[in-house]
Order: sequence, then C-alpha cells, then structure tokens
Amino acid sequence: GENVEQHPSTLSVQEGDSAVIKCTYSDSASNYFPWYKQELGKRPQLIIDIRSNVGEKKDQRIAVTLNKTAKHFSLHITETQPEDSAVYFCAASTGQAGTALIFGKGTTLSVSS
Amino acid sequence: KAGVTQTPRYLIKTRGQQVTLSCSPISGHRSVSWYQQTPGQGLQFLFEYFSETQRNKGNFPGRFSGRQFSNSRSEMNVSTLELGDSALYLCASSLEGIPGYGYTFGSGTRLTVV
Repeated sequence: GENVEQHPSTLSVQEGDSAVIKCTYSDSASNYFPWYKQELGKRPQLIIDIRSNVGEKKDQRIAVTLNKTAKHFSLHITETQPEDSAVYFCAASTGQAGTALIFGKGTTLSVSS
Repeated sequence: KAGVTQTPRYLIKTRGQQVTLSCSPISGHRSVSWYQQTPGQGLQFLFEYFSETQRNKGNFPGRFSGRQFSNSRSEMNVSTLELGDSALYLCASSLEGIPGYGYTFGSGTRLTVV
C-alpha cells in the first residue's frame, strides 16, 4: 500500500547548524508534499509544502526539495534555533480524490544552545 | 477567524464502551478529515467527509465510523473500545477538499481507554 518513509527518527544539532530530514514516498500519483511541525502537546502546524510541478521551495530558513523521479523529498532548516526543537512530519497526498495524507513516522529534532 | 475546534479535549473510557468525538471546522470549510496519532504508528488517516459524504477511508476496522452534518461539523464514533484505541484523535479541515488549501488541524481529543 501507500507508504512514506522518514529518516532520521531523531536528530540532534547545535544551535546555528543545519538540519536535514528526508522522506521517500511510494505512490507515484502523489502530487502534494507538506511538512508539519508539532510541538509537545500541540497540534501539527504546516510549515512548508511543495507540489509536484516544483522542484524546490524556500521560506526564510526553511526549504523543501522534491525529486519526483526518485520519489523523495527533503526538509532543510538552516541556522537552527532552540525554538526549532519539535517533531517534524512529512506527508504525501494519495492518488485518490480528496485530502487524505500519508504521514511519515516523524523526526524529533533537538537543537541545543 | 476561529480555528478548528475539537471537543472534548480529554476523554477516559472503559473497554467495550463507545465514544463520540466532535470536530467543528473553520467557517466555510467543507472538508473534514480525521487522523489517529499514536507514538508507535504516528499519524494515520481514518476518513474524510466532504459535503456530508464520506469521500475517503483509511485502513481501520468498521468500529470506527463518522458523519458530517449540513453545517460541516463532523463526528467520529468508535464502538466497542479496545485498549489499543487509546490515542490522540485529530481532525483537519480544508476549504474545498483539496490538499494544500487551508488544511488546518484541530488540537485533538486525547482518548484513554482503560
């Protein structure tokens, strides 16, 4: 069935370093790839997304890249700050009509000062 | 603009009971999707309702059901609760049921089955 693999499951960096999280999807019909940040006890919040007709998108310190041929996409966070510490989830739309998303298992990012 | 509202926030139920959770989407949003979040399985899609019709369904047993009302508010019901149903249940609403257009999550209902 449809699946999204996310790596690494945990990531520890020093403040100011860059962090990269990678995801691979299986459904070739997927055309929308959002990234969510979830802080402890809070709702997942969309931080950036990309569509299949775009290879890269950037928003200040956050960027996402997509390689449709290889079916993988990545989140890049530069100049990390302690407030970036959270769980990050990648997701991919399914080939079905509607809004169903298949999520990766999440990456716990810890930024130490 | 009010966000997605889920009630109740916390719930404790006994095995074998049933439970109903509620989700009020952002005003004007017609699509409501439900997800189960657990530490082991992450976020898993339950089902989506759009204009009172179930449009998509994930791989969950028939004990999990839902519905949507004419005002777009949605409820999900879990019958014959099992210990493994303990989870955070999240709903997300979107304007026209297309991913990426105002897909906003609620704060969730934390269900504990004892």
